Amino acid sequence: AQRVTQPEKLLSVFKGAPVELKCNYSYSGSPELFWYVQYSRQRLQLLLRHISRESIKGFTADLNKGETSFHLKKPFAQEEDSAMYYCALKEVRETSGSRLTFGEGTQLTVNP
Amino acid sequence: SAVISQKPSRDICQRGTSLTIQCQVDSQVTMMFWYRQQPGQSLTLIATANQGSEATYESGFVIDKFPISRPNLTFSTLTVSNMSPEDSSIYLCSVVGREKGSYSGNTIYFGEGSWLTVV
Repeated sequence: AQRVTQPEKLLSVFKGAPVELKCNYSYSGSPELFWYVQYSRQRLQLLLRHISRESIKGFTADLNKGETSFHLKKPFAQEEDSAMYYCALKEVRETSGSRLTFGEGTQLTVNP
Repeated sequence: SAVISQKPSRDICQRGTSLTIQCQVDSQVTMMFWYRQQPGQSLTLIATANQGSEATYESGFVIDKFPISRPNLTFSTLTVSNMSPEDSSIYLCSVVGREKGSYSGNTIYFGEGSWLTVV
């Protein structure tokens, strides 16, 4: 069965420091992975997906199939990056379409 | 992208009662999903709602407890029946939408959620 693991529930860094939020997955098919972010009192929103290979708000994430990882990185954290981050794996099912399996989330706090 | 509106955004409910959450999307979508996010936990898929057919429930969720309606391609409801304190949670509606820009694939968008507290 598919599974997404985010080993760190809490992560605290100082402004300007590099940050890496870890995500590992297990999936028998071809994985499609996403990072979602939830700022305080706001809805869950898509941050980036591995297929588009883009950098959003300075964040990047590379899919490493050998290590089954999709870690989220930013070289210089900003205070406004403080939020809850969820890694998600998209599973395509024949009978009931696609669904997302979420990791447990990592609460990132960027201190001044 | 899709704009998703949920009602109510927040409610306090009495044990044993039922509450229906509404989800309205600004465009026609084939698939709508209902998730639950219990306090301090991640999101868990409850069911997938397709227009014109019965919802497909995930393991651990049953229709009697979480009946779903999908009368058309822009609207769905989720009812939380016979509530207990364990049902206190955020319930989120989500849809598959097409992302703008160079990427031609689909992604999943979320409503703001309905925060239910059962007392």
